Amino acid sequence: EVQLLQSGGDLVQPGGSLRLSCAASGFTFNNYAMSWVRQAPGKGLEWVSTISGSGGKTFYADSVKGRFTISRDNSKNTLYLQMNGLRAEDTAIYYCAKNSSGHSYFDYWGQGTLVTVSS
Amino acid sequence: DIVMTQSPDSLAVSLGERATINCKSSQSVLYSSNNENYFAWYQQKPGQPPKLLIYWASTRESGVPDRFSGSGSGTDFTLTISSLQAEDVAVYYCQQYYTTPCSFGQGTKLEIK
Repeated sequence: EVQLLQSGGDLVQPGGSLRLSCAASGFTFNNYAMSWVRQAPGKGLEWVSTISGSGGKTFYADSVKGRFTISRDNSKNTLYLQMNGLRAEDTAIYYCAKNSSGHSYFDYWGQGTLVTVSS
Repeated sequence: DIVMTQSPDSLAVSLGERATINCKSSQSVLYSSNNENYFAWYQQKPGQPPKLLIYWASTRESGVPDRFSGSGSGTDFTLTISSLQAEDVAVYYCQQYYTTPCSFGQGTKLEIK
């Protein structure tokens, strides 16, 4: 059974940093791209970032480029999102998601973790 | 970037009746080399993550009831629930994965009339 267990959400001040984690199980982790998708309170879904299975390719939304870094540790089956320079508009539930084989629809999602940016 | 626009924003349907949600993309998501539409539908219930329902515009994900069906091609797509059940109350999102960034529609809230 595929499971994506997230951790790391918190309340952080504007300009602060946070690292989110997503521990994967139930599939061959390094065979699949992984992504982060966020959802502001009461709003829709926004793609944030994707990393290839090997970790060699990364992609970012313009809204987070230069501030967020996606990475993965395939030896630990874990995905990360390092978030720096946080802004109020980054407040959202962050979901990690498994990309389907070779394409970018998301067939499994983590439970989500809340990031609140506020002073 | 491709913009996805869903209609309506909200919908109330009686139990057992048909529910139809539409999604339009600002450009075609049909890839000519393989004749596939890079398009998906998700269901999100309150307090839960999204759940994949349909991909390649019309392929039902394993375990999804057959009352859910997807249709359309190019820029216009439809999600149909043939006979609404109480457990189908949710927000539904469309997504294109033809380009990076992928993009989602704004969501359609489905309720019971």
